[in-house]
Amino acid sequence: NAGVTQTPKFQVLKTGQSMTLQCAQDMNHNSMYWYRQDPGMGLRLIYYSASEGTTDKGEVPNGYNVSRLNKREFSLRLESAAPSQTSVYFCASSEGTASSTDTQYFGPGTRLTVL
Amino acid sequence: AQSVTQPDIHITVSEGASLELRCNYSYGATPYLFWYVQSPGQGLQLLLKYFSGDTLVQGIKGFEAEFKRSQSSFNLRKPSVHWSDAAEYFCAVGARGFQKLVFGTGTRLLVSP
Repeated sequence: NAGVTQTPKFQVLKTGQSMTLQCAQDMNHNSMYWYRQDPGMGLRLIYYSASEGTTDKGEVPNGYNVSRLNKREFSLRLESAAPSQTSVYFCASSEGTASSTDTQYFGPGTRLTVL
Repeated sequence: AQSVTQPDIHITVSEGASLELRCNYSYGATPYLFWYVQSPGQGLQLLLKYFSGDTLVQGIKGFEAEFKRSQSSFNLRKPSVHWSDAAEYFCAVGARGFQKLVFGTGTRLLVSP
């Protein structure tokens, strides 16, 4: 039981390049989330998916797109990376349908640097 | 709207000493409160959570937290800190009917020998 997995662990991009961060969970959870973590700002929600086939914006969605490919997988895409998107990105999942009362389980993170 | 304040950015504690990390929340109804820990280079792991009932909750790794409604606080405590407790600690608040968990900005714990 791997929990929540994320690929890649590290990535360096040049401004304007695109990339997709992958996330998968094997806990049969309904909800999945993408956060970014920046120093002094805690975790900020980018997008979430309450169930397969649905996605919703979080606190900081600009510059990102997401796809809930199936119940297991939730990807985050940067179409044209900017230095302001340099951050650590975490994927998380929870059992319910996007209730803030559920425990969330986090992946190990992707450290992204945009030059 | 819900909000969480962790007033201490860094705290240094000697190994074996007691620890208290502060968390204050703002929310009108009954909050659902969480403490998560992030070890260096890792994702977040749930330490403990409070929904209702006994206001003193026990978590993993010897941590406990006390919910005080009158002070809007949910402080995390440990009687004796180990070097392996050095990490960043996040308080978070949720509520019924809300989809988004709100995190505090975190407190980094340093443990000195």
